[in-house]
Amino acid sequence: AQKITQTQPGMFVQEKEAVTLDCTYDTSDPSYGLFWYKQPSSGEMIFLIYQGSYDQQNATEGRYSLNFQKARKSANLVISASQLGDSAMYFCAMREARGGGSYIPTFGRGTSLIVHP
Amino acid sequence: NAGVTQTPKFRILKIGQSMTLQCTQDMNHNYMYWYRQDPGMGLKLIYYSVGAGITDKGEVPNGYNVSRSTTEDFPLRLELAAPSQTSVYFCASTSSDSRQETQYFGPGTRLLVL
Repeated sequence: AQKITQTQPGMFVQEKEAVTLDCTYDTSDPSYGLFWYKQPSSGEMIFLIYQGSYDQQNATEGRYSLNFQKARKSANLVISASQLGDSAMYFCAMREARGGGSYIPTFGRGTSLIVHP
Repeated sequence: NAGVTQTPKFRILKIGQSMTLQCTQDMNHNYMYWYRQDPGMGLKLIYYSVGAGITDKGEVPNGYNVSRSTTEDFPLRLELAAPSQTSVYFCASTSSDSRQETQYFGPGTRLLVL
């Protein structure tokens, strides 16, 4: 079974509108961390936002927020007021404890976001 | 700080050739990782290291080897290149092994095996 599932291969949004990118995860570990990364066409991986499994509040970083629904095991990324520069691949990732206690990250397949002017 | 650097940026190999992908970080991070990214896919972990002298296999280690003689360097070795190893390779590091630590990524190495 996949640890991280991103069901939207591609998303389109109009500039200045909000968009939600879906991410569901699978873990039996009560202690885990969830991340979103952006990968523009230039290829680098850029960290956007983090949510811990014990965090009570949804994480926010500027125009990015994470809609964390623990019972549903979802960690959707919300981008408000989309900009043309937001066009990129977006990856959801999870760090959970493996054998020996290491928190090894697992990545989803990504969602391609295109922002239209 | 340069962060995580990778060389080369791009390489073409013939089947059966070998090469080493270099990765260096100047943040004094203990934890380092090698990933491969195939088209339309996420990142898959090849090998990781929790400190100098300690390495372990990830999800897709076959066909690769690593070493970690210093904190800064974590080279990835391909011994007998195969077309299936055509991919983009990312090196990453993190300061500690905890659930909230984000990874810092290098710019990637694009490898084509013909």
